[in-house]
Amino acid sequence: GGIITQTPKFLIGQEGQKLTLKCQQNFNHDTMYWYRQDSGKGLRLIYYSITENDLQKGDLSEGYDASREKKSSFSLTVTSAQKNEMAVFLCASSISNTLYFGEGSRLIVV
Amino acid sequence: QQQVRQSPQSLTVWEGETAILNCSYEDSTFDYFPWYHQFPGESPALLIAIRPVSNKKEDGRFTIFFNKREKKFSLHIADSQPGDSATYFCAASGRGGSNAKLTFGKGTKLSVKS
Repeated sequence: GGIITQTPKFLIGQEGQKLTLKCQQNFNHDTMYWYRQDSGKGLRLIYYSITENDLQKGDLSEGYDASREKKSSFSLTVTSAQKNEMAVFLCASSISNTLYFGEGSRLIVV
Repeated sequence: QQQVRQSPQSLTVWEGETAILNCSYEDSTFDYFPWYHQFPGESPALLIAIRPVSNKKEDGRFTIFFNKREKKFSLHIADSQPGDSATYFCAASGRGGSNAKLTFGKGTKLSVKS
């Protein structure tokens, strides 16, 4: 089996700050995703990548950048953190349409 | 634009009853329909999935019913147990490549009382 590791688990930043979340997977999956989870709003797709150096925008990409420099890693940057950014960010990778999620990174903006 | 709609937002059933969770979608090119469950403090995990070649998929106490004409699918949890209490998300996607993205519903919080 494989694992998806998200770092950090908690990220505290100031309003207006640029903040980066990292994700590593050892499944050797081609496709990776970043979702944002807010209570009562489900999971909303921010960015996904179907292969190394590929980036596809999801429904919530405004205010975020992503980078897939290696097959095994996918990072997400909040370009200017706002207090309404506080949510859990979930990284996932997939094979045959099945998503495997990391444990999540909680963003706190002060 | 919400492409996958899920209802109810929350559901309470008694132990032993059948819980029914509903989803509808808009995009007729969607051809993969999974259900994920998420227990408190954990990440979502795949529970069961269906493709439109069939209108029913069973896995133990969990059954998906699929209606292509009405663009609806539902999850039935038979003989519900307190351990089934979780949030359930339906989702939909097209075929691979850039259609591989999975669009989720907003979730149904299921409570099973004993």
